[in-house]
Amino acid sequence: ETGVTQTPRHLVMGMTNKKSLKCEQHLGHNAMYWYKQSAKKPLELMFVYSLEERVENNSVPSRFSPECPNSSHLFLHLHTLQPEDSALYLCASSQEISSTDEQFFGPGTRLTVL
Amino acid sequence: TQLLEQSPQFLSIQEGENLTVYCNSSSVFSSLQWYRQEPGEGPVLLVTVVTGGEVKKLKRLTFQFGDARKDSSLHITAAQPGDTGLYLCAGVISGSARQLTFGSGTQLTVLP
Repeated sequence: ETGVTQTPRHLVMGMTNKKSLKCEQHLGHNAMYWYKQSAKKPLELMFVYSLEERVENNSVPSRFSPECPNSSHLFLHLHTLQPEDSALYLCASSQEISSTDEQFFGPGTRLTVL
Repeated sequence: TQLLEQSPQFLSIQEGENLTVYCNSSSVFSSLQWYRQEPGEGPVLLVTVVTGGEVKKLKRLTFQFGDARKDSSLHITAAQPGDTGLYLCAGVISGSARQLTFGSGTQLTVLP
């Protein structure tokens, strides 16, 4: 497996469920990101990790909880979500956090909250 | 108000036509990137521009960064169906944290 992988690719959950999204990068990068992509809205940066330390949290509600156990893996734990949280959740990685470093994106998890 | 405005939002053209899409802001960017996203996939980087007035070419794609580093354009010559996708510009605002700010994208459809 190469690049950035995400599982599951599709997820349907109720508002009271707890689920987790998983991201894995096989590129040896030090930085990892979670983005939310909703219809007709720009990609929204949610969290940034550098060497397993969270360096940015863009005012994301606490019902989203990230975890970075090592530099290759990133999780997004979901709890008591709302229907407006339905979106495509994209994981990305880059060599470092730099304005010019290329970010490599995974294919995303399509989340539907009922 | 979005920091990066992309236009047009949607564009449908015939194979062989030329097109230009725009990315505009009132903020100055230290760098700007263009990505293409296809259905079911994440965005893929096409180019990074860092110098005001810079022009980069990638086969039939020409990218320009405005002199004041507030805007950028992507021109495609002789579009092909394989160019279909969502084109996203993203930039890092000068003097800010290093996070990328994305535009909402231009959805391009090239009809055979």
